[in-house]
Amino acid sequence: GQQVMQIPQYQHVQEGEDFTTYCNSSTTLSNIQWYKQRPGGHPVFLIQLVKSGEVKKQKRLTFQFGEAKKNSSLHITATQTTDVGTYFCAGMPGNNRKLIWGLGTSLAVNP
Amino acid sequence: NAGVMQNPRHLVRRRGQEARLRCSPMKGHSHVYWYRQLPEEGLKFMVYLQKENIIDESGMPKERFSAEFPKEGPSILRIQQVVRGDSAAYFCASSPQGQNTGELFFGEGSRLTVL
Repeated sequence: GQQVMQIPQYQHVQEGEDFTTYCNSSTTLSNIQWYKQRPGGHPVFLIQLVKSGEVKKQKRLTFQFGEAKKNSSLHITATQTTDVGTYFCAGMPGNNRKLIWGLGTSLAVNP
Repeated sequence: NAGVMQNPRHLVRRRGQEARLRCSPMKGHSHVYWYRQLPEEGLKFMVYLQKENIIDESGMPKERFSAEFPKEGPSILRIQQVVRGDSAAYFCASSPQGQNTGELFFGEGSRLTVL
């Protein structure tokens, strides 16, 4: 079936280091969304990407959608302890109107 | 504008009892989704409902689980005869339109513990 794979599963960084999580789909996506879930919290929407090759920035966060619309990445520059949490991608396959969720990347930041 | 409201936030049940989880979507939202999250795992889609209609229940276990979203009142996820494996966080999300049109707004979740 249609799958969205996220890597890495876990990432441990020192505060100030950069962090990247990758999302890969087995099929072409019409759009992809990113969410953040703090420990003990609930998922919070970060952004949606729709266009092939799209790049969007939110302060230290940079989101990319691949040219083939099958992969995406989230890059955080100079991580802070407030970035701790699990980052999920969720893709909408082009032939199916149901979000397919990745398993998330858990980020830990050492102060 | 209140967000998605879920209650109870925490629920403890013994094996064999029933669990009822409630979700009130954001004002103006008529689409509700239920997800289950096991500890240290991702979100697993369970069911997608509109008012008085189940649109997609492909993620719901065939037995013991049911969901509804009546014309009046909150959406309810009902788990009958709970077992230990049902222990999880159950998140509800809502959207103003169908899930192909933008972000989902999540509630804070209901954490079910089955003893």
